[in-house]
Amino acid sequence: QSVLTQPPSVSAAAGQKVTISCSGSSSNIGNSYLCWYQQLPGTAPKLLIYDNNIRPSGIPDRFSGSKSGTSATLGITGLQTGDEADYYCGAWDTSLSAVVFGGGTKVTVL
Amino acid sequence: QVQLQESGPGLVKPPETLSLTCTVSGASISSMNYWSWIRQPPGKGLEWITSIYYNGDTHYNPSLKSRITISVDASKNQFFLKLNSVTAADTAMYYCARGITVLTLDSWGQGTLVTVSS
Repeated sequence: QSVLTQPPSVSAAAGQKVTISCSGSSSNIGNSYLCWYQQLPGTAPKLLIYDNNIRPSGIPDRFSGSKSGTSATLGITGLQTGDEADYYCGAWDTSLSAVVFGGGTKVTVL
Repeated sequence: QVQLQESGPGLVKPPETLSLTCTVSGASISSMNYWSWIRQPPGKGLEWITSIYYNGDTHYNPSLKSRITISVDASKNQFFLKLNSVTAADTAMYYCARGITVLTLDSWGQGTLVTVSS
């Protein structure tokens, strides 16, 4: 059981938009910056979004992040087959004094 | 460009100690960054294990704290993980990573699979 809650899977047709939710509490998302990681099949995770909504250099603007209260959302527009991956949200939990992750969401391009 | 490479035994017997090394290239381990270990059991999600800041400050996953040690050898540009009293539940892909913060992990190693089995 992960501290942060994500849907197990989302899907959409190529070119469409998907959103992935990440729900937590006042001890984590409500009091911490949020990160999103992309894990392509068989590879290490890659930083996709940090500080809630900032994209590292090289990450296309098709990826966006937002946060409101104790929830956050990752959006992917113009969905491509290369976006098929597992996506994880992460935050610092002040009660646990630990980094916590969501259980991951598998994105499928129909 | 920073690169990280994990190394260590792929098979560990219970209840022995799992020892992993992360070798960093392209950046100094003494730079103002966090150096972290994260693991992923087969078919499951990510679990943060521990992080060490360049000044020696450490952070541990409370569920693992009693069994883990993280350390650094700046002369070799390496950092290490020791996890003692392993069980089958410690079987996982182990990743080392560099962090801008303890949460913002901007560079990852490719991972090393460790199986715990007698």
